[in-house]
Amino acid sequence: QKEVEQNSGPLSVPEGAIASLNCTYSDRGSQSFFWYRQYSGKSPELIMFIYSNGDKEDGRFTAQLNKASQYVSLLIRDSQPSDSATYLCAVNWNTGFQKLVFGTGTRLLVSP
Amino acid sequence: DGGITQSPKYLFRKEGQNVTLSCEQNLNHDAMYWYRQDPGQGLRLIYYSQIVNDFQKGDIAEGYSVSREKKESFPLTVTSAQKNPTAFYLCASTAPLTGPGYTFGSGTRLTVV
Repeated sequence: QKEVEQNSGPLSVPEGAIASLNCTYSDRGSQSFFWYRQYSGKSPELIMFIYSNGDKEDGRFTAQLNKASQYVSLLIRDSQPSDSATYLCAVNWNTGFQKLVFGTGTRLLVSP
Repeated sequence: DGGITQSPKYLFRKEGQNVTLSCEQNLNHDAMYWYRQDPGQGLRLIYYSQIVNDFQKGDIAEGYSVSREKKESFPLTVTSAQKNPTAFYLCASTAPLTGPGYTFGSGTRLTVV
């Protein structure tokens, strides 16, 4: 059974701080990794994806992948109250076809 | 604009009743998916379809049925056999050549009354 684990939170950070969200997964044969943001009552939206070990930066967001340790993280710099949402980690173990397994999500609260 | 349309936004089901949730996409995506989300939970895969006229069960297919007669459409029927159907249902699609990750619809919130 392939599993994706996240701390449910809430993770509380002050405005302007760095928020660090973590995700671990159960099987080394994973292919690609995704971070989605989901506001309450809304559908998830893709904010980052990463395939290779190391860091990938996009604006205030950085995804970090360590396949040997089976974890992927998301850093949000200069956190804003509008970043307050649930962040879902997803992993794809398939090649040539995407079938994502999602974690339960971490709720982030950014206080002004 | 291209996207995925789910309807209705809210749906109420009586005990013993079958209901069908609509999912239509105009993105020309081959693969489509149905996920269920319960409060405080992640997304769990119900059914998925890689091509027209073909679909596979996901992790929690019992009590659900789907069809894929057209590339654009992937309706989900919640049958009376599904004993706990109250949840947020999300439809998604993807295509290998248009980038990674899913495009999601806006979801249908189903409540049993």
